[in-house]
Amino acid sequence: DGGITQSPKYLFRKEGQNVTLSCEQNLNHDAMYWYRQDPGQGLRLIYYSQIVNDFQKGDIAEGYSVSREKKESFPLTVTSAQKNPTAFYLCASSPRTSGVGVGELFFGEGSRLTVL
Amino acid sequence: KNQVEQSPQSLIILEGKNCTLQCNYTVSPFSNLRWYKQDTGRGPVSLTIMTFSENTKSNGRYTATLDADTKQSSLHITASQLSDSASYICVVSARGSTLGRLYFGRGTQLTVWP
Repeated sequence: DGGITQSPKYLFRKEGQNVTLSCEQNLNHDAMYWYRQDPGQGLRLIYYSQIVNDFQKGDIAEGYSVSREKKESFPLTVTSAQKNPTAFYLCASSPRTSGVGVGELFFGEGSRLTVL
Repeated sequence: KNQVEQSPQSLIILEGKNCTLQCNYTVSPFSNLRWYKQDTGRGPVSLTIMTFSENTKSNGRYTATLDADTKQSSLHITASQLSDSASYICVVSARGSTLGRLYFGRGTQLTVWP
């Protein structure tokens, strides 16, 4: 079945360690996104990518890095520079990059990162 | 400032009852508005999309309305079920915006009791 797969579902990290969250999609979507979700807050955009080998910073990119070497994959690295990394991370993809239908997001199941 | 405000923040209803969730936005120029359902610990799933010219759209027991003049939307849930317990998120897209410019509400946490 088509969809977005995020892994791992749960991840524990010690302070000072970098961790990479995986996001793979087989929907043939051009656009991919990473969001962070904290309790009581709306989703906040970390990074997004419209095409392979290109990505843009979102509202809270500091302390995070991404790559887009393949259309299907958009991994997110949470670096030790991220001061408060404990959160629920959501990866999404979108079939449209412009026009009225832009913003139609298909989400993965999320990855919960806890820093000990 | 482009914002999306949802109310109430949380809501508890009994199974079988109806409820209405509200979304007010100041995003301009408006392109579309989507309602998503997010089960606890899962990713959001799209319920409906409303464009400027649409007033009402239904998806099973979910009915969304849009008043573009007052910049308000509502999501009405009929004959609630235990499985409706979730967070409902309103997302607004601005016309002509860049790919990453979507405005998210904080969500309404709905709990349905038996």
